[in-house]
Amino acid sequence: GENVEQHPSTLSVQEGDSAVIKCTYSDSASNYFPWYKQELGKRPQLIIDIRSNVGEKKDQRIAVTLNKTAKHFSLHITETQPEDSAVYFCAAKDRGSTLGRLYFGRGTQLTVWP
Amino acid sequence: DTAVSQTPKYLVTQMGNDKSIKCEQNLGHDTMYWYKQDSKKFLKIMFSYNNKELIINETVPNRFSPKSPDKAHLNLHINSLELGDSAVYFCASSQDIAGFRNGELFFGEGSRLTVL
Repeated sequence: GENVEQHPSTLSVQEGDSAVIKCTYSDSASNYFPWYKQELGKRPQLIIDIRSNVGEKKDQRIAVTLNKTAKHFSLHITETQPEDSAVYFCAAKDRGSTLGRLYFGRGTQLTVWP
Repeated sequence: DTAVSQTPKYLVTQMGNDKSIKCEQNLGHDTMYWYKQDSKKFLKIMFSYNNKELIINETVPNRFSPKSPDKAHLNLHINSLELGDSAVYFCASSQDIAGFRNGELFFGEGSRLTVL
């Protein structure tokens, strides 16, 4: 099965700085890569995703890049704000699989200091 | 209107007891899931149902038994609770199993189970 590694496990930045979270995956059949944000005591929610036919996708202050050859993808948050503090999960999925299972990384606790 | 709702939100019980968590989605999705999130925040899939049919059954003790009476509901029953079962259990749904249309998972608010 797929194995998704996520680094770092914790990340602290000053407000206004950028934050980068990196993930690697093992299965070259994976072709869908979402990122979920989980605020303290809340449910995980999708913030951005990318499909394997795209190298980069941006949505305001967040962006995701994908390198299919190296099998890694990253989340970039610019101009961080205290409300960006949360646990971020990367995931990978083979959308063509009959099971359609989503494999999660172990999460990154991001803390943005004011 | 809550898209994925689960009850109860908190559950405190003694070892050896049996408990159930209920989940309902009003999104019209075909696929529903149970995830377990431990104290280190790791999200581990337990079960997945597609149109009431079990399609993913991870290595979960058989004390855990899911039941899907219809595609909008997926309940989780746990027998003989153990200390290690303490966690947050999230129900989730997605539009379809393979995500051809939309791979997004919609999570419920979570049910925090504490076994004493």
